[in-house]
Amino acid sequence: DVKVTQSSRYLVKRTGEKVFLECVQDMDHENMFWYRQDPGLGLRLIYFSYDVKMKEKGDIPEGYSVSREKKERFSLILESASTNQTSMYLCASSLFSGAGTGELFFGEGSRLTVL
Amino acid sequence: AQKVTQAQTEISVVEKEDVTLDCVYETRDTTYYLFWYKQPPSGELVFLIRRNSFDEQNEISGRYSWNFQKSTSSFNFTITASQVVDSAVYFCALSEDSGGYNKLIFGAGTRLAVHP
Repeated sequence: DVKVTQSSRYLVKRTGEKVFLECVQDMDHENMFWYRQDPGLGLRLIYFSYDVKMKEKGDIPEGYSVSREKKERFSLILESASTNQTSMYLCASSLFSGAGTGELFFGEGSRLTVL
Repeated sequence: AQKVTQAQTEISVVEKEDVTLDCVYETRDTTYYLFWYKQPPSGELVFLIRRNSFDEQNEISGRYSWNFQKSTSSFNFTITASQVVDSAVYFCALSEDSGGYNKLIFGAGTRLAVHP
C-alpha cells in the first residue's frame, strides 16, 4: 500500500515562528502536493512538485514556500507563521504528472495552530 | 471562482436511508476528470472514484453509485442503505486537462452523519 506520512499530527506555534511541515511518500511517486483544509472552503492547493527540485505555485502560495530535495520528501515551510495560517495541512502524492492520470494518496494531515 | 460546488454542507440521515450528495462543476475544458473522496474522522482522504469527461456511464460499486451528467455539469454520489461507517466528509474534485498537471480542485465538502 502507498503510504504518505506527515511528520506531525498536531503542532502549536507562535506568531512569527518558522514552521516546517514534512511529508514522505514511499512509492516513488512523481507528484507531491500540499493542500490546506478549512471549514467551508474545502481543500485549497498551496504548492505542488512534479519532480525533484521543481515546484509550482498552487492557488494560495502566499506566506508559504516548499522544498523537494529528494523524490520521496516534500516540505512545506511557513517562514513567519501568522494566525491566519492556523489550519489543517494535507500532503498528497500521485504516481504520474499528467492531468487526471490517477488518484491522489493523502497523509493523515497536520493540524497547525498559530497563537 | 470556485469550480466545484457542493451545496450541501451537512446531511443527517438515519441508518438504512438512501442519501445523495450533490456535486456541480464548472470547466471550459472538453477533457477533464472528476473524483470523489471520503474523509473519515481519522483525517486521511480516501479515493472513491475517478471519471473522465468522455465516459458518462453511471457506476455502481456495492452500496455506492455515481451519476455523471454532462448536460447539467453534475457528478452526484448516492449511498444506498446508509450505515454508520459511512459517516464522513465527502469531497468532489475536478482535474482539468488544461491544468497540465494532476492538480485537483476540490469542493467545500459535504459532512454526512448517519445515525443508528
